[in-house]
Amino acid sequence: AQKVTQAQTEISVVEKEDVTLDCVYETRDTTYYLFWYKQPPSGELVFLIRRNSFDEQNEISGRYSWNFQKSTSSFNFTITASQVVDSAVYFCALSEAGYSTLTFGKGTMLLVSP
Amino acid sequence: DTGVSQDPRHKITKRGQNVTFRCDPISEHNRLYWYRQTLGQGPEFLTYFQNEAQLEKSRLLSDRFSAERPKGSFSTLEIQRTEQGDSAMYLCASSWGGRVNTEAFFGQGTRLTVV
Repeated sequence: AQKVTQAQTEISVVEKEDVTLDCVYETRDTTYYLFWYKQPPSGELVFLIRRNSFDEQNEISGRYSWNFQKSTSSFNFTITASQVVDSAVYFCALSEAGYSTLTFGKGTMLLVSP
Repeated sequence: DTGVSQDPRHKITKRGQNVTFRCDPISEHNRLYWYRQTLGQGPEFLTYFQNEAQLEKSRLLSDRFSAERPKGSFSTLEIQRTEQGDSAMYLCASSWGGRVNTEAFFGQGTRLTVV
């Protein structure tokens, strides 16, 4: 069975602070995919990134960066110099090889205040 | 707009009534998914289609729920004899599935309130 744990329910930061959202996953598969989605108040889940289990290289996209560590089964997401527009619920998700469906964590609500 | 669209955005219904939601996926995507999200939780998988075939159904999908995807295009999700526990956001997503699977893109969801 697969499982995604986002232990941080809510994080509050002041604009320009850096913030890291944690994600720990469980799976028996050796091939799997990890995702991060953003859900703003409008409700639509916005795709941010997908990584496969064979690619442990960290990725940076603008103010966003992701740290994938198979040794600790973690796929953490860092926002550098946070902005008010980053306020949203962020979900980490897992998809096992051969399956299309996503298993989501419970999400972390990020509140960025001016 | 070439994204996933869902209709209606909001639905309020009385307990016991039937409701139907529609999802129009991204046109070139062959896979379509339905998820349900309750307050404070992540989305939970309900069912998915590849083209017109319904390939997987979650145990969450009781007999009161039925989904179709005629002709492999849009999909409908019907809930019969709604119960208050059905109140949730129903999310639709689509992706391309084959030798290489793409990520899923989500619609804005249909928020169902059963009173």
